[in-house]
Amino acid sequence: AQSVTQLDSHVSVSEGTPVLLRCNYSSSYSPSLFWYVQHPNKGLQLLLKYTSAATLVKGINGFEAEFKKSETSFHLTKPSAHMSDAAEYFCVVSDWGKLIFGQGTELSVKP
Amino acid sequence: EAGVAQSPRYKIIEKRQSVAFWCNPISGHATLYWYQQILGQGPKLLIQFQNNGVVDDSQLPKDRFSAERLKGVDSTLKIQPAKLEDSAVYLCASVPKGGQDTDTQYFGPGTRLTVL
Repeated sequence: AQSVTQLDSHVSVSEGTPVLLRCNYSSSYSPSLFWYVQHPNKGLQLLLKYTSAATLVKGINGFEAEFKKSETSFHLTKPSAHMSDAAEYFCVVSDWGKLIFGQGTELSVKP
Repeated sequence: EAGVAQSPRYKIIEKRQSVAFWCNPISGHATLYWYQQILGQGPKLLIQFQNNGVVDDSQLPKDRFSAERLKGVDSTLKIQPAKLEDSAVYLCASVPKGGQDTDTQYFGPGTRLTVL
């Protein structure tokens, strides 16, 4: 069965510093992986997705993620955090069209 | 392009009452999903529709939850009777019919249900 594990439930960074949100996946075949963001009282928004093309995936708002098969990881990064990045982030794996979500990582950004 | 619409945005009911949520997917999207997101957790799939047919309802608590998508467009999710543990955000998502984006789900803003 497919699954994802987000290694941190909460990450706090200062504005202008790098962001790293960690995600490990478990899959019996080459997975489709996603990162979604959820701002308070807003719907889930797709940040980026990996579907077995380039291993470094660029998304919206300066985010990117690298698929590492040897480490079964799909960590999300951003070089410089902005206050508007404060939100809940979900790492997601697709299991034949059904999305399986991680527990989420809450990102706080301090001024 | 208009996004996925859901209503109501918030609902407060007492346990044992019934409640219904409505979802209107993006125009032309054939596949529709309902998810339940309990506070502090990631969303969990309840049911998947393809047009007006059910593809997967294995995670739907059928003794109290029901869902329909009669004309293959909008959908309703009903809970009857509600329990305290049904307090959650109910999210609707839809997927484009073809092209390169068929694995991307577009989510609505959700309905936050509080059961007292």
